[in-house]
Amino acid sequence: AQRVTQPEKLLSVFKGAPVELKCNYSYSGSPELFWYVQYSRQRLQLLLRHISRESIKGFTADLNKGETSFHLKKPFAQEEDSAMYYCPPRAGANNLFFGTGTRLTVIP
Amino acid sequence: DSGVTQTPKHLITATGQRVTLRCSPRSGDLSVYWYQQSLDQGLQFLIQYYNGEERAKGNILERFSAQQFPDLHSELNLSSLELGDSALYFCASSVGGSGDVDTQYFGPGTRLTVL
Repeated sequence: AQRVTQPEKLLSVFKGAPVELKCNYSYSGSPELFWYVQYSRQRLQLLLRHISRESIKGFTADLNKGETSFHLKKPFAQEEDSAMYYCPPRAGANNLFFGTGTRLTVIP
Repeated sequence: DSGVTQTPKHLITATGQRVTLRCSPRSGDLSVYWYQQSLDQGLQFLIQYYNGEERAKGNILERFSAQQFPDLHSELNLSSLELGDSALYFCASSVGGSGDVDTQYFGPGTRLTVL
Protein backbone atom coordinates (compact mmCIF):
# COMPACT_ATOMS: atom_id res chain seq x y z
CA ALA A 1 0.00 0.00 0.00
CA GLN A 2 1.19 3.48 -0.75
CA ARG A 3 1.99 5.44 2.33
CA VAL A 4 3.91 8.53 3.18
CA THR A 5 5.15 9.50 6.59
CA GLN A 6 6.12 12.95 7.63
CA PRO A 7 7.39 12.23 11.14
CA GLU A 8 7.33 15.83 12.32
CA LYS A 9 3.98 17.55 12.64
CA LEU A 10 5.67 20.71 13.83
CA LEU A 11 9.13 22.01 13.01
CA SER A 12 10.66 25.28 14.15
CA VAL A 13 13.95 26.69 12.96
CA PHE A 14 15.63 30.06 13.27
CA LYS A 15 15.94 32.35 10.29
CA GLY A 16 19.14 31.61 8.44
CA ALA A 17 19.43 28.10 9.79
CA PRO A 18 19.25 25.03 7.54
CA VAL A 19 15.92 23.29 7.39
CA GLU A 20 15.04 19.73 6.49
CA LEU A 21 11.48 18.46 6.31
CA LYS A 22 11.43 14.70 6.38
CA CYS A 23 9.34 12.51 4.12
CA ASN A 24 9.53 8.73 4.11
CA TYR A 25 7.49 6.66 1.73
CA SER A 26 6.32 3.12 1.35
CA TYR A 27 5.35 2.55 -2.19
CA SER A 28 4.96 -0.39 -4.50
CA GLY A 29 6.46 0.23 -7.90
CA SER A 30 8.22 3.40 -8.94
CA PRO A 31 7.26 6.31 -6.77
CA GLU A 32 6.43 9.73 -8.05
CA LEU A 33 6.83 12.20 -5.26
CA PHE A 34 6.00 15.83 -4.76
CA TRP A 35 6.16 18.55 -2.22
CA TYR A 36 3.14 20.79 -1.88
CA VAL A 37 3.07 23.91 0.26
CA GLN A 38 0.27 25.94 1.81
CA TYR A 39 1.22 29.41 2.98
CA SER A 40 -1.03 31.22 5.41
CA ARG A 41 -4.28 32.28 3.74
CA GLN A 42 -3.15 30.92 0.41
CA ARG A 43 -4.05 27.89 -1.62
CA LEU A 44 -2.22 24.62 -1.52
CA GLN A 45 0.26 24.65 -4.39
CA LEU A 46 2.92 22.49 -5.91
CA LEU A 47 6.41 23.33 -4.72
CA LEU A 48 8.43 20.76 -6.60
CA ARG A 49 8.39 17.23 -7.96
CA HIS A 50 11.18 14.73 -7.90
CA ILE A 51 11.19 14.07 -11.65
CA SER A 52 12.03 17.70 -12.32
CA ARG A 53 15.09 17.71 -10.07
CA GLU A 54 14.66 21.45 -9.73
CA SER A 55 15.18 23.98 -7.00
CA ILE A 56 12.24 26.17 -6.12
CA LYS A 57 12.53 29.09 -3.68
CA GLY A 58 15.85 27.62 -2.60
CA PHE A 59 14.33 24.25 -1.72
CA THR A 60 15.58 20.97 -3.12
CA ALA A 61 14.50 17.39 -2.59
CA ASP A 62 16.35 14.28 -3.61
CA LEU A 63 14.72 10.91 -3.96
CA ASN A 64 16.71 8.37 -1.98
CA LYS A 65 15.45 4.97 -3.03
CA GLY A 66 17.73 3.16 -0.61
CA GLU A 67 16.26 5.02 2.35
CA THR A 68 12.84 5.48 0.68
CA SER A 69 12.97 9.14 1.51
CA PHE A 70 12.31 12.41 -0.22
CA HIS A 71 13.36 15.01 2.31
CA LEU A 72 12.93 18.70 1.51
CA LYS A 73 15.94 20.86 2.27
CA LYS A 74 16.93 24.49 2.26
CA PRO A 75 20.31 25.75 3.44
CA PHE A 76 19.08 29.04 4.88
CA ALA A 77 15.49 29.32 6.09
CA GLN A 78 13.56 32.55 5.55
CA GLU A 79 10.55 33.81 7.46
CA GLU A 80 8.40 33.53 4.35
CA ASP A 81 9.06 29.79 4.31
CA SER A 82 6.72 29.37 7.28
CA ALA A 83 3.88 27.20 5.97
CA MET A 84 2.34 23.74 5.91
CA TYR A 85 4.29 21.29 3.80
CA TYR A 86 2.94 18.04 2.38
CA CYS A 87 4.78 15.20 0.69
CA PRO A 88 2.17 13.18 -1.21
CA PRO A 89 3.19 10.23 -3.35
CA ARG A 90 1.25 9.50 -6.47
CA ALA A 91 -0.88 6.39 -6.27
CA GLY A 92 -2.39 5.33 -9.54
CA ALA A 93 -4.12 7.59 -12.04
CA ASN A 94 -3.33 11.07 -10.81
CA ASN A 95 -4.21 10.59 -7.17
CA LEU A 96 -2.09 12.05 -4.47
CA PHE A 97 -2.11 10.70 -0.96
CA PHE A 98 -1.58 13.57 1.41
CA GLY A 99 -0.99 13.06 5.09
CA THR A 100 -1.02 15.36 8.06
CA GLY A 101 1.88 17.38 6.75
CA THR A 102 4.52 19.33 8.62
CA ARG A 103 3.99 22.86 9.85
CA LEU A 104 7.23 24.79 9.50
CA THR A 105 7.75 27.91 11.56
CA VAL A 106 10.77 30.06 10.89
CA ILE A 107 11.63 32.13 13.93
CA PRO A 108 12.94 35.64 13.19
CA ASP B 1 -9.85 34.67 -11.99
CA SER B 2 -9.04 31.67 -14.17
CA GLY B 3 -8.05 29.52 -11.23
CA VAL B 4 -10.07 26.95 -9.36
CA THR B 5 -13.06 28.47 -7.61
CA GLN B 6 -15.16 27.04 -4.82
CA THR B 7 -18.45 28.15 -3.32
CA PRO B 8 -19.46 28.83 -0.69
CA LYS B 9 -16.42 29.91 1.34
CA HIS B 10 -18.10 29.06 4.61
CA LEU B 11 -21.04 26.87 5.47
CA ILE B 12 -22.61 26.37 8.86
CA THR B 13 -25.30 23.77 9.26
CA ALA B 14 -26.77 21.32 11.73
CA THR B 15 -26.35 17.61 12.21
CA GLY B 16 -28.51 15.48 9.97
CA GLN B 17 -28.65 18.10 7.24
CA ARG B 18 -27.45 17.90 3.65
CA VAL B 19 -25.20 20.39 1.87
CA THR B 20 -23.73 20.82 -1.58
CA LEU B 21 -20.30 22.22 -2.26
CA ARG B 22 -19.45 23.52 -5.68
CA CYS B 23 -16.20 23.64 -7.61
CA SER B 24 -15.29 25.14 -10.96
CA PRO B 25 -12.00 23.90 -12.39
CA ARG B 26 -9.39 25.95 -14.22
CA SER B 27 -10.20 26.62 -17.82
CA GLY B 28 -9.10 23.63 -19.88
CA ASP B 29 -8.77 21.22 -16.98
CA LEU B 30 -10.76 18.02 -17.31
CA SER B 31 -10.07 16.45 -13.94
CA VAL B 32 -11.54 17.51 -10.64
CA TYR B 33 -10.50 16.17 -7.25
CA TRP B 34 -12.10 16.55 -3.86
CA TYR B 35 -10.15 16.52 -0.60
CA GLN B 36 -11.11 16.81 3.04
CA GLN B 37 -8.75 18.51 5.46
CA SER B 38 -9.13 18.07 9.18
CA LEU B 39 -6.71 18.62 12.04
CA ASP B 40 -6.42 14.97 13.01
CA GLN B 41 -6.61 13.32 9.58
CA GLY B 42 -4.67 15.81 7.53
CA LEU B 43 -5.53 16.17 3.87
CA GLN B 44 -7.45 13.17 2.58
CA PHE B 45 -8.33 12.39 -1.01
CA LEU B 46 -12.04 11.75 -1.47
CA ILE B 47 -12.81 11.30 -5.14
CA GLN B 48 -11.71 12.23 -8.66
CA TYR B 49 -13.71 12.89 -11.79
CA TYR B 50 -12.36 13.10 -15.30
CA ASN B 51 -14.45 14.59 -18.07
CA GLY B 52 -17.69 13.72 -16.33
CA GLU B 53 -16.81 10.22 -15.20
CA GLU B 54 -15.66 8.97 -11.85
CA ARG B 55 -11.98 8.09 -12.14
CA ALA B 56 -10.87 7.17 -8.65
CA LYS B 57 -12.21 6.91 -5.14
CA GLY B 58 -10.41 7.53 -1.92
CA ASN B 59 -11.70 7.71 1.64
CA ILE B 60 -15.14 8.95 0.73
CA LEU B 61 -18.01 8.01 3.01
CA GLU B 62 -21.18 6.51 1.61
CA ARG B 63 -23.06 9.55 2.91
CA PHE B 64 -21.02 11.65 0.50
CA SER B 65 -21.36 11.72 -3.26
CA ALA B 66 -20.07 13.82 -6.09
CA GLN B 67 -20.60 14.42 -9.75
CA GLN B 68 -19.05 16.35 -12.59
CA PHE B 69 -21.33 18.09 -15.03
CA PRO B 70 -20.94 18.58 -18.80
CA ASP B 71 -19.51 22.05 -18.23
CA LEU B 72 -16.90 20.30 -16.02
CA HIS B 73 -17.88 21.95 -12.77
CA SER B 74 -18.31 19.53 -9.91
CA GLU B 75 -20.47 19.26 -6.83
CA LEU B 76 -19.80 17.38 -3.63
CA ASN B 77 -22.93 16.39 -1.75
CA LEU B 78 -22.68 15.66 1.96
CA SER B 79 -25.73 14.19 3.64
CA SER B 80 -26.79 13.11 7.14
CA LEU B 81 -24.09 15.38 8.43
CA GLU B 82 -22.29 14.59 11.64
CA LEU B 83 -20.17 16.75 13.88
CA GLY B 84 -17.08 14.95 12.61
CA ASP B 85 -17.75 16.13 9.08
CA SER B 86 -16.70 19.62 10.07
CA ALA B 87 -13.60 20.29 7.98
CA LEU B 88 -12.12 22.24 5.14
CA TYR B 89 -13.08 20.76 1.78
CA PHE B 90 -10.75 21.44 -1.11
CA CYS B 91 -11.27 21.00 -4.77
CA ALA B 92 -8.37 20.69 -7.19
CA SER B 93 -8.19 20.38 -10.95
CA SER B 94 -5.67 19.20 -13.47
CA VAL B 95 -5.45 18.92 -17.21
CA GLY B 96 -5.60 15.14 -17.55
CA GLY B 97 -6.75 12.17 -15.57
CA SER B 98 -4.12 9.49 -15.83
CA GLY B 99 -0.79 8.65 -17.40
CA ASP B 100 1.76 11.34 -16.74
CA VAL B 101 1.12 13.09 -13.50
CA ASP B 102 -0.40 16.51 -13.87
CA THR B 103 0.10 19.29 -11.43
CA GLN B 104 -3.02 19.74 -9.34
CA TYR B 105 -4.23 23.27 -8.80
CA PHE B 106 -6.18 23.81 -5.65
CA GLY B 107 -9.12 26.02 -4.87
CA PRO B 108 -9.41 28.15 -1.73
CA GLY B 109 -11.59 25.59 0.02
CA THR B 110 -14.99 25.55 1.67
CA ARG B 111 -15.05 25.52 5.45
CA LEU B 112 -17.93 23.39 6.70
CA THR B 113 -19.03 23.64 10.30
CA VAL B 114 -21.60 21.18 11.56
CA LEU B 115 -23.25 22.19 14.83
